[in-house]
Amino acid sequence: DAKTTQPNSMESNEEEPVHLPCNHSTISGTDYIHWYRQLPSQGPEYVIHGLTSNVNNRMASLAIAEDRKSSTLILHRATLRDAAVYYCILGGSSGDKLTFGTGTRLAVRP
Amino acid sequence: NAGVMQNPRHLVRRRGQEARLRCSPMKGHSHVYWYRQLPEEGLKFMVYLQKENIIDESGMPKERFSAEFPKEGPSILRIQQVVRGDSAAYFCASSPVDRGKAKNIQYFGAGTRLSVL
Repeated sequence: DAKTTQPNSMESNEEEPVHLPCNHSTISGTDYIHWYRQLPSQGPEYVIHGLTSNVNNRMASLAIAEDRKSSTLILHRATLRDAAVYYCILGGSSGDKLTFGTGTRLAVRP
Repeated sequence: NAGVMQNPRHLVRRRGQEARLRCSPMKGHSHVYWYRQLPEEGLKFMVYLQKENIIDESGMPKERFSAEFPKEGPSILRIQQVVRGDSAAYFCASSPVDRGKAKNIQYFGAGTRLSVL
């Protein structure tokens, strides 16, 4: 399975944008880039996914590098409720299981 | 549209007892996955099932653990003769039949927290 690398933790101020990076230099041509997040004491929650083009939805935006070796999850205005562990996961071509790494723990300051 | 339902939310068992964890997938979803999250660790895949079939059980411990997803009713994760090391949060996820490009979108339940005394 292709591996992802994320910073262990990040901090943000409330109502400011947050850019969460993910490196995936061994990504294969058919791997989708998925982002999930896990709020405290809850199950993981799907955030967004993409293949080659940048993607937007009501929760976030996903910016994918042209060579696909990295991507960035963008929260446009962080709220206290966005404090969670964010996971960048590759998949879609080699089976259905999700391989969670350690993710990035995002703290949001009021 | 109800999400993935897991019950019980909390389960306490003594060593040697059996634990049964239930998962009802989202309506229309026929794929179920179980994951385990040990204290202070990440989520680890355990098993992937479709109705009446185990598709991938590569993450299941070889002994004491079993899973099923019958034609009718919820998926069950069963742990026999529980030990303290089984204490963890167990999450179930479901996904619809793949009709498009991103077949890996999974929707998770709130989890069952198992405590073994």
